[in-house]
Amino acid sequence: DAGITQSPRHKVTETGTPVTLRCHQTENHRYMYWYRQDPGHGLRLIHYSYGVKDTDKGEVSDGYSVSRSKTEDFLLTLESATSSQTSVYFCAISDRTGITGELFFGEGSRLTVL
Amino acid sequence: KNEVEQSPQNLTAQEGEFITINCSYSVGISALHWLQQHPGGGIVSLFMLSSGKKKHGRLIATINIQEKHSSLHITASHPRDSAVYICAVGKAGGGADGLTFGKGTHLIIQP
Repeated sequence: DAGITQSPRHKVTETGTPVTLRCHQTENHRYMYWYRQDPGHGLRLIHYSYGVKDTDKGEVSDGYSVSRSKTEDFLLTLESATSSQTSVYFCAISDRTGITGELFFGEGSRLTVL
Repeated sequence: KNEVEQSPQNLTAQEGEFITINCSYSVGISALHWLQQHPGGGIVSLFMLSSGKKKHGRLIATINIQEKHSSLHITASHPRDSAVYICAVGKAGGGADGLTFGKGTHLIIQP
């Protein structure tokens, strides 16, 4: 199994509080992604990173920010959580752009915003 | 219209049946992935295709680039194959922004 872990795996928080999800990899892969998964939707890209300190927005980036200060860690922050951000969040890593390489996913982080 | 469409959305079959899940896409691609997600579980990559056909155990994935269509087949299906199967495409000429996903096919194999 690829070395990719997410934390926390489950979190319940209140509207307006900040939340940070962490994705940690031991594969030294260049590309890292944060997705959210909601019923009735496919996985949707929030933000991605193509190197240390190199990040860009995805399809549903409003209300989220990311940081990557080290190759192995990619943090997703909700500055002020809202109920619409209740979701399951997946981190993914890949060694190639355009996803022509193998893709590995973390086990997901279930976030509930009350 | 979604760029990646899967059919059927839901499929229930008996153990031992031959299963086919379809994926159609409307953009040029560099690669197509089939992923598997068990209930409450993480997501696992099954195949990555850019042409032709791949086989792994009882799973077979095919792609027709001209028709913009891919199929995932499961032979001799088993209850442990029950999962959501997700098709995802990496767009041709795309940058580092990853995949575009279908909504998934929920497969249940009954004993």
